[in-house]
Amino acid sequence: DTGVSQNPRHKITKRGQNVTFRCDPISEHNRLYWYRQTLGQGPEFLTYFQNEAQLEKSRLLSDRFSAERPKGSFSTLEIQRTEQGDSAMYLCASSLGQGLGSVTEAFFGQGTRLTVV
Amino acid sequence: AQSVTQPDIHITVSEGASLELRCNYSYGATPYLFWYVQSPGQGLQLLLKYFSGDTLVQGIKGFEAEFKRSQSSFNLRKPSVHWSDAAEYFCAVGPYGNKLVFGAGTILRVKS
Repeated sequence: DTGVSQNPRHKITKRGQNVTFRCDPISEHNRLYWYRQTLGQGPEFLTYFQNEAQLEKSRLLSDRFSAERPKGSFSTLEIQRTEQGDSAMYLCASSLGQGLGSVTEAFFGQGTRLTVV
Repeated sequence: AQSVTQPDIHITVSEGASLELRCNYSYGATPYLFWYVQSPGQGLQLLLKYFSGDTLVQGIKGFEAEFKRSQSSFNLRKPSVHWSDAAEYFCAVGPYGNKLVFGAGTILRVKS
């Protein structure tokens, strides 16, 4: 596998249900990011991990959202008590960071499209 | 706060014609700049990036972009568009920590 993998690709859920998405980054990448993209907009940053540490969270990430990267490899994004406004494409990206403050190229997965009905 | 503006929501060009997609950014320091392309229902693919050095950068698929600090711009160009270039294009700026701030995107339509 040479790319970022996200599962599932599509998810339809009823309002109020919990959903969990998975992201498998490129294997040697230490940084992992979650973004959300709504129709007609660019992706918006949600959260960022360096190895297993969650270093930054956007104010968009309400307390119904939680992300983990338990062993510094794959990551999960859970949304509890889903609302219709959560309907969006959730994108995962990974990169190889060389040090604090370094900027490197991020590779994106194909995304998980969530529809809350 | 950092921001990215892509003034054109849609652009239509004829196949074989040249293309320029505009991108303006607001950022306090030297920006790291990116152009990504997204086909319908797909993730983002990096076309090119500017970190430092030569302000004219070459990317994949025949795209290039020029960083103009005085105009806070990073416009994407291609001399001859192919039908397969039809997609949505996003400009992004990357501040500290590699968090990217994206523009709203420009949808490119190619007519034959």
